[in-house]
Amino acid sequence: QQQVKQSPQSLIVQKGGISIINCAYENTAFDYFPWYQQFPGKGPALLIAIRPDVSEKKEGRFTISFNKSAKQFSLHIMDSQPGDSATYFCAASGDKIIFGKGTRLHILP
Amino acid sequence: DTAVSQTPKYLVTQMGNDKSIKCEQNLGHDTMYWYKQDSKKFLKIMFSYNNKELIINETVPNRFSPKSPDKAHLNLHINSLELGDSAVYFCASSQAWTGNTIYFGEGSWLTVV
Repeated sequence: QQQVKQSPQSLIVQKGGISIINCAYENTAFDYFPWYQQFPGKGPALLIAIRPDVSEKKEGRFTISFNKSAKQFSLHIMDSQPGDSATYFCAASGDKIIFGKGTRLHILP
Repeated sequence: DTAVSQTPKYLVTQMGNDKSIKCEQNLGHDTMYWYKQDSKKFLKIMFSYNNKELIINETVPNRFSPKSPDKAHLNLHINSLELGDSAVYFCASSQAWTGNTIYFGEGSWLTVV
């Protein structure tokens, strides 16, 4: 019940394409859903986050889509660029934060 | 003006040794964490402190002992290091216990040989 399931484990996208990473949770007490981006040799850093009272949040090329009834949320990266190549973690926060297992994204130049 | 800083960044040591990783945050946050990231990139929480009090102690061997001398510092001491302890250890902090952004340090790469 405390897990956050993230897929795919790895993803290769052509430059200019759309990258989509999906996450699912079970605990309805979660009330904050952040996405973190981690470049090699660095710590994870907050990319974008959403609370369950909205269905979508957009910041530049990054969009979170949130489906409360299905208990799923996803990250969409529009016009993917080689600089977006990184590991992405979804997370869900309630009385503690639970991270997904990460998606290694590689954008082909 | 680094928000969460940890030292050392790289550490190579022999099995059986004792080592410490230090962490400091200058964000004025109440909560600090230690995370372990293995070779598969999985992020696993080890400990969490809120206002210097231990909140989370996930199933971590008691060879690992955190110490929080004040709200801005959370150090990790590891006794009798084993090969399986090789990983990247991240210190992190957040303003409050739940529902807040976690700020990570740059990591400490520990290699046990």
